[in-house]
Amino acid sequence: KNQVEQSPQSLIILEGKNCTLQCNYTVSPFSNLRWYKQDTGRGPVSLTIMTFSENTKSNGRYTATLDADTKQSSLHITASQLSDSASYICVVSLTAFSGGYNKLIFGAGTRLAVHP
Amino acid sequence: GAVVSQHPSWVICKSGTSVKIECRSLDFQATTMFWYRQFPKQSLMLMATSNEGSKATYEQGVEKDKFLINHASLTLSTLTVTSAHPEDSSFYICSAGRQRNTEAFFGQGTRLTVV
Repeated sequence: KNQVEQSPQSLIILEGKNCTLQCNYTVSPFSNLRWYKQDTGRGPVSLTIMTFSENTKSNGRYTATLDADTKQSSLHITASQLSDSASYICVVSLTAFSGGYNKLIFGAGTRLAVHP
Repeated sequence: GAVVSQHPSWVICKSGTSVKIECRSLDFQATTMFWYRQFPKQSLMLMATSNEGSKATYEQGVEKDKFLINHASLTLSTLTVTSAHPEDSSFYICSAGRQRNTEAFFGQGTRLTVV
């Protein structure tokens, strides 16, 4: 069964601290892995997208890693800011065989709260 | 990145009425758009795939007669919740991408409350 599991479910950190969010997946056939940030009441916004051959990608203070062998990914946030408070969703894309669009498998997300 | 716009951002309607939600790709053409529903503290659940000029493809368990999808042009898809009930209250989000295997861009979402 194609699944994406994220941990922790929720996390509270102090402003300025770093944190790492985890994503484990059992998805096949794998196309790419994406991290999204979703503010409350808003649609998800893309942070990073990685293919099988990429093992790290950065976007400002966000750095994502991918280990395709162990099927694990992490999102590291450096020097957190209050505006980082949001849900972070790991999404794995399956390769479509029929020429159609890739199917996306969503994790449940990690709810991050950054406190002053 | 590409911009996907949803309207309205929120809507409150009476039970039994219908509500239409629009999803537009502002700077690219999207032959396919996706509609999701998200309940509080849960992840996005795909409802249906909207195909320009043809019928939508619904996920298992989604009532196609209740959630009407129309993809009349390459930049506009609409989701109509017919005869809405309180249990239809949810956050509805659309997404679209330029090409099949590339980035999906999400709309801002529509908060539907049925009273």
